[in-house]
Amino acid sequence: QQPVQSPQAVILREGEDAVINCSSSKALYSVHWYRQKHGEAPVFLMILLKGGEQKGHDKISASFNEKKQQSSLYLTASQLSYSGTYFCGTEDMAGTYKYIFGTGTRLKVLA
Amino acid sequence: GAVVSQHPSRVICKSGTSVKIECRSLDFQATTMFWYRQFPKQSLMLMATSNEGSKATYEQGVEKDKFLINHASLTLSTLTVTSAHPEDSSFYICSARARYRDILAKNIQYFGAGTRLSVL
Repeated sequence: QQPVQSPQAVILREGEDAVINCSSSKALYSVHWYRQKHGEAPVFLMILLKGGEQKGHDKISASFNEKKQQSSLYLTASQLSYSGTYFCGTEDMAGTYKYIFGTGTRLKVLA
Repeated sequence: GAVVSQHPSRVICKSGTSVKIECRSLDFQATTMFWYRQFPKQSLMLMATSNEGSKATYEQGVEKDKFLINHASLTLSTLTVTSAHPEDSSFYICSARARYRDILAKNIQYFGAGTRLSVL
């Protein structure tokens, strides 16, 4: 079953923060976050392998709550370049390397 | 970084013809390649997993005779849409999993730029 992301869409002003959530009905081994611009391939943002792990990349960070089968992506001080659709990709078993992508969150950052 | 090349980027064909899409890992060896399909404003749906030298594993609901996958080498996988029909029109994206020693790199999928297929 496809992980559910929330919100479905969000509009921000430059400099504002946003949180995107990814919830799975299955136990997860890892969560990956990608950003996709219109008509382009998804671009890798980060991977979280352990429960409770938080990773950061510039002003984008993420957490993984293994118990709740959830991950959240945090975008702080958003920039225009953050616009796009964000997907979580979940792997439910170690060694399969097979992702099931979430429903997606469309993010638009306005000047 | 790891680069995956996908070709062609766009193809328009007549109904009933077959279309081949290539996915190449340019600077790394890919143990596994994945094929996805994406409809407008929707998520990526996994179609099949392809391992070098073995038959592809198709997801439920994906016709293996319709979507032929060949993973000929550690750097090349092809998807052939046979007897394409208008309902096959979509954005097809491949990804490759790197065969590195580092476990984190091994878990990451690197995506091609996608192929937009339009069947008339």
